[in-house]
Amino acid sequence: QVQLVQSGTEVRKPGASVKVSCQTSGYTLTDYYIHWVRQAPGQGLEWMGIVNPSTSSATYAQKMQGRVTMSRDTSTSTVYMELSSLRFEDTAVYYCARSRVRLTAIRDDVFDVWGQGTVVTVSS
Amino acid sequence: DIQMTQSPSSLSASIGDRVTISCRASQTINTYLSWYQHKPGRAPKLLIYGASSLQSGVPSRFSGSGSGTDFTLAISSLQPEDFATYYCQQSYSTPTFGQGTKLEIK
Repeated sequence: QVQLVQSGTEVRKPGASVKVSCQTSGYTLTDYYIHWVRQAPGQGLEWMGIVNPSTSSATYAQKMQGRVTMSRDTSTSTVYMELSSLRFEDTAVYYCARSRVRLTAIRDDVFDVWGQGTVVTVSS
Repeated sequence: DIQMTQSPSSLSASIGDRVTISCRASQTINTYLSWYQHKPGRAPKLLIYGASSLQSGVPSRFSGSGSGTDFTLAISSLQPEDFATYYCQQSYSTPTFGQGTKLEIK
């Protein structure tokens, strides 16, 4: 079955960077977009961006521009999200999620399979 | 960005009740509206997409309706496993989510 398995809990100091991985299985990585969504404590869900695993091109939420990089390694079917210049308000659970439709179809930004989430804590 | 507003923010109901959750978009989004169920410590689960299409494997007691700016998620007969937080999400433009509706046991 389709699965997205994320890396474990991270703790970083303000100003540092963090790189979260999302290993996919049960389908071909390059057939579907991968999105990243986060949820800060007590807050709702926030979309961070999307990566096309076939071309490695990515589009980021305006709020994240300049601090986030999404990439992929097709040899391991893994997608990565790196966030730099971390702030206290970046403390959140970070999720990867797959687009419902294939890359060859019209993009619909509906997320049908999600990773289990990675807790990132920014603390001094 | 398109703002999504859910109501109510929280809701208490009993097993077997029918409940509805509303979601309003700040501008028209046609039917580019999805609903997710989220339980603590778990990954969100897609329930409804295209405003009214039931995701494969989701029980038929869940249904969605609406178009334009106003949408509704209905659960026809609440089961114990349905107590969770529900989010709407628009995919008409840069994805945005509602603030969530927490469904609790009365």
